[in-house]
Amino acid sequence: GESVGLHLPTLSVQEGDNSIINCAYSNSASDYFIWYKQESGKGPQFIIDIRSNMDKRQGQRVTVLLNKTVKHLSLQIAATQPGDSAVYFCADTGRRALTFGSGTRLQVQP
Amino acid sequence: DAGVIQSPRHEVTEMGQEVTLRCKPISGHDYLFWYRQTMMRGLELLIYFNNNVPIDDSGMPEDRFSAKMPNASFSTLKIQPSEPRDSAVYFCASSGDRSSQPQHFGDGTRLSIL
Repeated sequence: GESVGLHLPTLSVQEGDNSIINCAYSNSASDYFIWYKQESGKGPQFIIDIRSNMDKRQGQRVTVLLNKTVKHLSLQIAATQPGDSAVYFCADTGRRALTFGSGTRLQVQP
Repeated sequence: DAGVIQSPRHEVTEMGQEVTLRCKPISGHDYLFWYRQTMMRGLELLIYFNNNVPIDDSGMPEDRFSAKMPNASFSTLKIQPSEPRDSAVYFCASSGDRSSQPQHFGDGTRLSIL
């Protein structure tokens, strides 16, 4: 069945460094992908999205890369800040409305 | 702008009781989604509505769970009777489209069934 997963459960980075969070998906029919950030006690917050006809999209300090050949997504955060500490989820809209990965916890060390 | 509003934020009740969770989506959004989040299973889609009509309820765990959307600005998720294994954080989300716009989430209801 369709699934979205993440390679690393926890990522620890130094403040100011760049962070890269990876995600694999299995549904080749997925055509829209989203990254969410979830802080403790809050709901997932939209960060950036990308459609399957693109391989890269940039936002403010964030970049999402999509490799459809190997069904892989990554989220790059430039100059990581303490406020970036959270759990990050990738999600895809394949057969069902939205399928979430298990999440990666990003810890930013001062 | 007001985001998705959920109530209550926290609910603690004894098993066997009826629980009703409420959601007000973002105005103008045609899609409404209910999710459940646990440590073991992560975020699971329970059901979603389009224009107040349930489209996919295949994620609803069992008949004890029901969801309604009587109008475009209100939805409920009901559990009757509740069981300890229903303890989780329940999120509501809304979007303008199912597959081309992001979903916007509320801050959830933390449900504890004793």
